Amino acid sequence: EAQVTQNPRYLITVTGKKLTVTCSQNMNHEYMSWYRQDPGLGLRQIYYSMNVEVTDKGDVPEGYKVSRKEKRNFPLILESPSPNQTSLYFCASSSPLAEGLTGELFFGEGSRLTVL
Amino acid sequence: AQSVSQHNHHVILSEAASLELGCNYSYGGTVNLFWYVQYPGQHLQLLLKYFSGDPLVKGIKGFEAEFIKSKFSFNLRKPSVQWSDTAEYFCAVNAMDSSYKLIFGSGTRLLVRP
Repeated sequence: EAQVTQNPRYLITVTGKKLTVTCSQNMNHEYMSWYRQDPGLGLRQIYYSMNVEVTDKGDVPEGYKVSRKEKRNFPLILESPSPNQTSLYFCASSSPLAEGLTGELFFGEGSRLTVL
Repeated sequence: AQSVSQHNHHVILSEAASLELGCNYSYGGTVNLFWYVQYPGQHLQLLLKYFSGDPLVKGIKGFEAEFIKSKFSFNLRKPSVQWSDTAEYFCAVNAMDSSYKLIFGSGTRLLVRP
């Protein structure tokens, strides 16, 4: 079954304790992206990656890191989480249609993170 | 900067009522347009998409959307909603500006009363 898998689905942590949210897709997609969803703000892009070893900042990259060592995996790293990073996080992937066009995104189930 | 506006943040309808959710975007060039739906507690799923061709696009579950280029709009419609359509709906725009960004609107929460 084609899917995007995120882990953990739920996490409560404390300020400053490094954490990683993993994301894996089995559709051989080149493009992967992380979004955060906050009430009234919709989805905002954190980072995206067009292919292995290629990553770019989205609209809200501060406080986050990513890596793309393998095509299927795109982990989101919070080196020193803060309470304003409490949010619902979604990983997504797609096959780009053409230069600059992402095409349809396939989303993971989401990871709800609470930073105390 | 590109932006996507969804003017209705909350919509409450009774079953069988007709639905129209507005979506406007700010980019003047070529775009791909999407509507995603998020049912309570679930992830986003594609409802329909427009890439080119017929500006009236039909999606799943009886939804359709019309791309009006002159108005920079991509409104979502359904003639008769059901209780199961209760969800949050997001319009998204992918501008052909080589940024690979998919910009989302802030979402519209739809509540359908039985």
